[in-house]
Amino acid sequence: DAKTTQPPSMDCAEGRAANLPCNHSTISGNEYVYWYRQIHSQGPQYIIHGLKNNETNEMASLIITEDRKSSTLILPHATLRDTAVYYCIVRAARGADGLTFGKGTHLIIQP
Amino acid sequence: SQTIHQWPATLVQPVGSPLSLECTVEGTSNPNLYWYRQAAGRGLQLLFYSVGIGQISSEVPQNLSASRPQDRQFILSSKKLLLSDSGFYLCAWSRGVKMNTEAFFGQGTRLTVV
Repeated sequence: DAKTTQPPSMDCAEGRAANLPCNHSTISGNEYVYWYRQIHSQGPQYIIHGLKNNETNEMASLIITEDRKSSTLILPHATLRDTAVYYCIVRAARGADGLTFGKGTHLIIQP
Repeated sequence: SQTIHQWPATLVQPVGSPLSLECTVEGTSNPNLYWYRQAAGRGLQLLFYSVGIGQISSEVPQNLSASRPQDRQFILSSKKLLLSDSGFYLCAWSRGVKMNTEAFFGQGTRLTVV
């Protein structure tokens, strides 16, 4: 899997949009961008994934640049419960191998 | 809907004792199954994955082994625990058919080897 680069930590005020960046400059054409988060002492939770187009679901939006070398996860109205470590992962479409987690971004939502 | 069960939630074991952690998935068939470990202050590391009964792939050499005796059951074992085996163990599943799809994680087992 291609490597990703994320800031180690970010703060965001409650109610504001949280924008989490991820660089994946060596991503291949058949690799997707996945986002997971891990709340303290829990298992990781899947958030969203995409290939080329921007994606939105009930949890978040994913914006992928046209050259696919970076992406941004957007939590539109952050709440205190969104405080977690957020992982950006790129992985191939085919194959059953697991996820390669980096260090992620520790997002802290401030009241 | 699909659910994943992992137990026990916490475990304290002496050095040299055996280990057996069990994970089961409900509501799906032929899932890909995974064991991860998160040591204190470190990231999640993939230990084993399985695409079918009796099929185990190991990602890192270690003191642990995995088995898949049934389609939706995945077991992590050790014959003799080491202090370095302490950590947070997570089981996960994803839909099979040799495609990478989103993975769903259990709530984890926190193992302390003393």
